[in-house]
Amino acid sequence: ETGVTQTPRHLVMGMTNKKSLKCEQHLGHNAMYWYKQSAKKPLELMFVYNFKEQTENNSVPSRFSPECPNSSHLFLHLHTLQPEDSALYLCASSQGGPLGELFFGEGSRLTVL
Amino acid sequence: EDQVTQSPEALRLQEGESSSLNCSYTVSGLRGLFWYRQDPGKGPEFLFTLYSAGEEKEKERLKATLTKKESFLHITAPKPEDSATYLCAVRYAGGTSYGKLTFGQGTILTVHP
Repeated sequence: ETGVTQTPRHLVMGMTNKKSLKCEQHLGHNAMYWYKQSAKKPLELMFVYNFKEQTENNSVPSRFSPECPNSSHLFLHLHTLQPEDSALYLCASSQGGPLGELFFGEGSRLTVL
Repeated sequence: EDQVTQSPEALRLQEGESSSLNCSYTVSGLRGLFWYRQDPGKGPEFLFTLYSAGEEKEKERLKATLTKKESFLHITAPKPEDSATYLCAVRYAGGTSYGKLTFGQGTILTVHP
C-alpha cells in the first residue's frame, strides 16, 4: 500500500459508544495530523505529532483522545461523542516536520446518533 | 485577526473557459501558501507550495501565483475532470515554533462539457 490509509472509511456510533479511527502512512514521513472537516467550514486542525511526540492540541475536547505509537501510525479514540461531532476526520502526514506540505488520507466519515 | 478567504465560493465554467480562483490572506510572517484539490468523498490532494511574492508554479492546466496579499490559481482551458473543490492554506508565524496553518473554506469548481 502507498500513501496515507485510514480505517474505517465510514463509522456510525451512538453517543455512549467507544470507537477508534486508525491511520497509517507509508511515506516515511515524521509528522502526522488529525483534521476535522465539517460542511461549510474550513478544515480544523485537531492534533499534531512530530516523531511520535504531540506538538499541538488545538483545544480539542477530551472525548477525542489521540495516540501515536510510532511515526507511521496514528489513532483517534472516540468516546461519549455528541451529534455535532459528526464530520469527516482526515489524517495527514508530512516530511520535514510540520513545515512540509500535507499528504492526506481519504478520511473517515463519522456519524454520531 | 488572521484570516484566509477564498473566492468565489462556487464557480461554474464551460469546458475550455479559462478563469482564476482567489485566496487572500491577512497574516503576518508568511511561511508558505499551499493549494490542494479535493474530490467528493476523498481527502485533499497537494498541488503547489508558494513561499514568496512573485513566485509561480505550474502543473498541467493549473498555474499558481503569489503576491504579498493573495494567491491566484489560474485554470487554462479547463476540462470536466478539473471539477473539484480547491483549498488554499497559509502557514504563518505564531502558535508553535512551526507556525500556524490555516485553511480557507474552498472554491467549488464545476466544469461543464
